[in-house]
Amino acid sequence: SQQGEEDPQALSIQEGENATMNCSYKTSINNLQWYRQNSGRGLVHLILIRSNEREKHSGRLRVTLDTSKKSSSLLITASRAADTASYFCATRSGNTGKLIFGQGTTLQVKP
Amino acid sequence: EAGVAQSPRYKIIEKRQSVAFWCNPISGHATLYWYQQILGQGPKLLIQFQNNGVVDDSQLPKDRFSAERLKGVDSTLKIQPAKLEDSAVYLCASRSVGTDSYNEQFFGPGTRLTVL
Repeated sequence: SQQGEEDPQALSIQEGENATMNCSYKTSINNLQWYRQNSGRGLVHLILIRSNEREKHSGRLRVTLDTSKKSSSLLITASRAADTASYFCATRSGNTGKLIFGQGTTLQVKP
Repeated sequence: EAGVAQSPRYKIIEKRQSVAFWCNPISGHATLYWYQQILGQGPKLLIQFQNNGVVDDSQLPKDRFSAERLKGVDSTLKIQPAKLEDSAVYLCASRSVGTDSYNEQFFGPGTRLTVL
């Protein structure tokens, strides 16, 4: 079963604008990860935030985590056409490393 | 470092036929995962191996799906017989296991299966 719900399902912006995607989940987690998937390809890990962290940065990416609301957001600043892809949040619980993915947000960045 | 390899990249079969997918994880990665990703959805875990043992296969439809990881390296996923609803991308991922329990998963390019 899917753990997370992401919104919006689709997002279209102009190059240079910021893109924000949200993820909500249901159960307690060890960490939350964001992945990117380009059309027809596998997933690429972007960033991981642990359950005891509230905010994390990596280049143009900023992730926040609110465990009280069971939600996370991914912000991509100064977007580029190459950022066009689907973005998935995935939560990890327990010790097996099992990830449960959300439904994803499809981002289109227009040049 | 070579990534996760999968083959074939594409497969088209008739319903009730059999199909097999192959995955070669990153060298040294003890944990291997198979996911099913239906169009428009996120990946769903089918089975997880730790070396050559199964850790989690709770969402594997065992009446038609089977997987093995002989010698704890390569893995194959088989569907027999296939149904229309099996049309999806099948992703393989691997992860190293060490003292850092937050290691990310590395994904292969996937096999796109179309069942007609």
